[in-house]
Amino acid sequence: GAVVSQHPSWVICKSGTSVKIECRSLDFQATTMFWYRQFPKQSLMLMATSNEGSKATYEQGVEKDKFLINHASLTLSTLTVTSAHPEDSSFYICSARPTSGGSYEQYFGPGTRLTVT
Amino acid sequence: EDQVTQSPEALRLQEGESSSLNCSYTVSGLRGLFWYRQDPGKGPEFLFTLYSAGEEKEKERLKATLTKKESFLHITAPKPEDSATYLCAVQTAHTGNQFYFGTGTSLTVIP
Repeated sequence: GAVVSQHPSWVICKSGTSVKIECRSLDFQATTMFWYRQFPKQSLMLMATSNEGSKATYEQGVEKDKFLINHASLTLSTLTVTSAHPEDSSFYICSARPTSGGSYEQYFGPGTRLTVT
Repeated sequence: EDQVTQSPEALRLQEGESSSLNCSYTVSGLRGLFWYRQDPGKGPEFLFTLYSAGEEKEKERLKATLTKKESFLHITAPKPEDSATYLCAVQTAHTGNQFYFGTGTSLTVIP
């Protein structure tokens, strides 16, 4: 149980184009999902908190117009990197917190490797 | 200021050589401390949640403990497949749903 998927697992795009990453909770509902970014040999950096049916909350320093988040249902959140540049190349990971159960665990997706050329 | 520190940064063990990883924290209003395992190029895999000092959780060769200042992840008789980066994260009353991650311990178990 508590499986989270991400699609695509890797993507290469040209500078200036946009890329959409999907995060799905497969066997549970998640009112809240999170988007992280991870650089090589570093820990996870929270980018934004995504709440179903409302606007995402972005961490300080994260451009909300560049990283568009949509949490349209209790099992799906999407992150769109707009006008991507090489410095946006990174490993993007989502997580989801189950709505029911009362626990605080987050379950993570397998990550998406974005390379901008 | 809230802080989560993991040590050591890297650890090399012989197969069967037991050891412990440390996660020390200085936060107010701890709601939970979480341990994850992360393999290269993958997302973190949930291991344990600890909520209060004195609590212990076990899973196969892993045992997690919690005090008021730190958590230990004990690895008993590790195998090469236990090689991974182990991350701890805390959630506090003022961070809401958010986790604050430590920088991780990279564990290598040599056959």
